[in-house]
Amino acid sequence: EVVVTQFPATLAVSPGERATLSCRASQDVGSRLAWYQRKPGQAPRLLIYNAYTRATGIPDRFSGSGSGTEFTLTINSVQSEDFAVYYCQQFDIWPPWAFGHGTKVEVK
Amino acid sequence: EVQLVESGGGLFQPGGSLRLSCEASGFTFSNFWMHWVRQVAGKGPEWVARIHRDGSNPQYAEYVRGRFTVSRDNGKNTLYLQMYSLTVEDTAVFYCVREAELARAWYFDVWGRGTQVTVSS
Repeated sequence: EVVVTQFPATLAVSPGERATLSCRASQDVGSRLAWYQRKPGQAPRLLIYNAYTRATGIPDRFSGSGSGTEFTLTINSVQSEDFAVYYCQQFDIWPPWAFGHGTKVEVK
Repeated sequence: EVQLVESGGGLFQPGGSLRLSCEASGFTFSNFWMHWVRQVAGKGPEWVARIHRDGSNPQYAEYVRGRFTVSRDNGKNTLYLQMYSLTVEDTAVFYCVREAELARAWYFDVWGRGTQVTVSS
């Protein structure tokens, strides 16, 4: 089973700053990795799939990179609506398609 | 609008049972594999179960196998999760999730808002 690790657990940024979130898989998952955003009371939202492809309607300040075991989600110029918890999930090795434990992006 | 709406959560006794429902709208439900994912407070999401487009081939996470049953009614655009022999460790938010093919691979592209299940005496 693939273990997915996210770091940091919490990231404090000021609006307008760049946020860089990391995700590591315990085995090579190629580019089959997705990122989600979760806000309280809302459905989690797919941001990035295939490691770097933005989902429909996702602003271009969100970008994904990486392959193999190391992945990054970058939020350029963080907006107020971006303060949330972000999860990564690998989709290469089944079962299961494991999730990370999340990174909370909060206001500095 | 593509939407998934879960229902059926609440407060339940250990050893009890319940059935969660997920009503889909805005897309052809029968064209998609569907999943249940749960999230315990303070932890990352965990996959629970999935079911084929036609209701066949249900699959389960090891920790729920034999206690949970996933099913669907494509005529009603609804996904179900029957949960038996509840324990306090089943306390979580349960999400209904759609699996879709993107970039020649499979991803979870649509989620519901979730329904809270609390198991406590």
